[in-house]
Amino acid sequence: RKEVEQDPGPFNVPEGATVAFNCTYSNSASQSFFWYRQDCRKEPKLLMSVYSSGNEDGRFTAQLNRASQYISLLIRDSKLSDSATYLCVVEDLTGNQFYFGTGTSLTVIP
Amino acid sequence: DTAVSQTPKYLVTQMGNDKSIKCEQNLGHDTMYWYKQDSKKFLKIMFSYNNKELIINETVPNRFSPKSPDKAHLNLHINSLELGDSAVYFCASSQQNILGRESGANVLTFGAGSRLTVL
Repeated sequence: RKEVEQDPGPFNVPEGATVAFNCTYSNSASQSFFWYRQDCRKEPKLLMSVYSSGNEDGRFTAQLNRASQYISLLIRDSKLSDSATYLCVVEDLTGNQFYFGTGTSLTVIP
Repeated sequence: DTAVSQTPKYLVTQMGNDKSIKCEQNLGHDTMYWYKQDSKKFLKIMFSYNNKELIINETVPNRFSPKSPDKAHLNLHINSLELGDSAVYFCASSQQNILGRESGANVLTFGAGSRLTVL
């Protein structure tokens, strides 16, 4: 069983739409959670950390449900520039290991 | 002021050759990593070093040998290259600070990647 599971998509949405990505993780002892964004032929870059209480950064909202071992990312009012692959990342208890999901591909269409 | 820099960015070579990829970080981080991203875009950890000490060595052929001369550098040497080694190799670093840190404080920062093509 993979440490982190994501729906690979692709998600094709019109500009202005709201889109949600989900991710599950297998190790209940995992301690930190993140969403990264990867553009084509570029490195992954941190989009946002995910806190237990949930957190928002502009049009982006991240939620964590430890009981269900589930992380989500909501993007409101999608822009063309949001087109990318979104990677769910989980850090283990040791702090030495980050596990990546396979990524969810998003294309925002004009 | 690149935080994590790796060279070369592109590497095209023949099967059987030996090649190296270098990585340096100027963030003062204690931990450095090598990840491999294959054609299916899955990012997989290969190695992790903390203060020059190997702490993670995933199931990687022993043709791959990491070397960390100091905590700011982690190089990757690959012997006897094979077709299946073609991928993008990403170096990354993080600052591990367990005591009193909040969730999400240990952020992983990537280099721009080294695209290896084995012919």
